[in-house]
Amino acid sequence: DTEVTQTPKHLVMGMTNKKSLKCEQHMGHRAMYWYKQKAKKPPELMFVYSYEKLSINESVPSRFSPECPNSSLLNLHLHALQPEDSALYLCASSPTGGGNTGELFFGEGSRLTVL
Amino acid sequence: GQSLEQPSEVTAVEGAIVQINCTYQTSGFYGLSWYQQHDGGAPTFLSYNALDGLEETGRFSSFLSRSDSYGYLLLQELQMKDSASYFCAVALYNFNKFYFGSGTKLNVKP
Repeated sequence: DTEVTQTPKHLVMGMTNKKSLKCEQHMGHRAMYWYKQKAKKPPELMFVYSYEKLSINESVPSRFSPECPNSSLLNLHLHALQPEDSALYLCASSPTGGGNTGELFFGEGSRLTVL
Repeated sequence: GQSLEQPSEVTAVEGAIVQINCTYQTSGFYGLSWYQQHDGGAPTFLSYNALDGLEETGRFSSFLSRSDSYGYLLLQELQMKDSASYFCAVALYNFNKFYFGSGTKLNVKP
């Protein structure tokens, strides 16, 4: 199984809502990532988890809260978002350290619209 | 911080060869990857260079020069399906971080 699965594929939420994005992989990868991508822009790194611990937070606003419950799952909890947070949210995974071949395995993304 | 520069758009005809350049300024550089992304889709991995030189994978080749902080992706025998955005990405600090370049939109015309 070489897939990264993200749910939901589409999400529309109001600025006062709380929602979560979910990501799952069964490749045994111990590094997992959240990226944000706006239209016609590159993916922008948000968070990195390594061995289920948050290793990198790219100064992301606290209205985005990541969680890694186990080695296969990654969540992104959303609360009090702004319309400018509307974007494609991509989850990715990779082997860590010497097992890495420079490849990030991406899910299909969750397209978020904030009204 | 880091910066990765790519041309914003390239146009070529079917069957031609096109080169997409990437120059970078980073610290903790480990290697350079290339990704393809079709409109509405997720990035898919094409190639990775850890060492200087050329890596060939079918119609795609990628080159890295660490001393020049420069790499390129070479696409041969272009097909219409190659129309997409192409991103270079640097792997940093023992692969803890991957940062993407600004992206190049490739338009392949008949």
